Amino acid sequence: DAGITQSPRHKVTETGTPVTLRCHQTENHRYMYWYRQDPGHGLRLIHYSYGVKDTDKGEVSDGYSVSRSKTEDFLLTLESATSSQTSVYFCATKKSEGGETDTQYFGPGTRLTVL
Amino acid sequence: DAKTTQPPSMDCAEGRAANLPCNHSTISGNEYVYWYRQIHSQGPQYIIHGLKNNETNEMASLIITEDRKSSTLILPHATLRDTAVYYCIVRVAQGAQKLVFGQGTRLTINP
Repeated sequence: DAGITQSPRHKVTETGTPVTLRCHQTENHRYMYWYRQDPGHGLRLIHYSYGVKDTDKGEVSDGYSVSRSKTEDFLLTLESATSSQTSVYFCATKKSEGGETDTQYFGPGTRLTVL
Repeated sequence: DAKTTQPPSMDCAEGRAANLPCNHSTISGNEYVYWYRQIHSQGPQYIIHGLKNNETNEMASLIITEDRKSSTLILPHATLRDTAVYYCIVRVAQGAQKLVFGQGTRLTINP
């Protein structure tokens, strides 16, 4: 769906190190999202983008930053990883808004472990 | 977005139709019904959505009651690969809103 790839798929890192996760899409979708999924919390939105260089915060944005310099790439950066950021991270994209195009498609996920 | 209610779990025999209900009694006139599923360790997968009319695609059928207060997702010939958590989401189709996933229904397809 929407040709979404995420890299890396798995990563183990140590507390205090910077980490960047990449989401790449091939469908020229306008919107891109980063969610995290943890047991007991479901999917929670971290940040989203509504165009190149246009981003906004979600409900759990503390400790995360994002960048979108090209339509196809949306980067999520943990400036200084903490153990509480151990999670599975999903990227999603949406073509546009309204009616039939307002559907989010998800990537395969990145499993991040912070020791 | 309107609140949805789904049974926590269901079982279905392989090859039979799986019918997953969703109650959304507070749905507004401009809110769509979306269905997603999540197979273990994978990203959520879009299945189908609808506004008022029943919808069908290659994966499933969506039946929405006339008053729009409930809907049913139908997997016509369930296979073991359909074992997953199924989420019913009601939302307005505009803006950059996040998707809000509730607890969903854990569907187990038995051989």
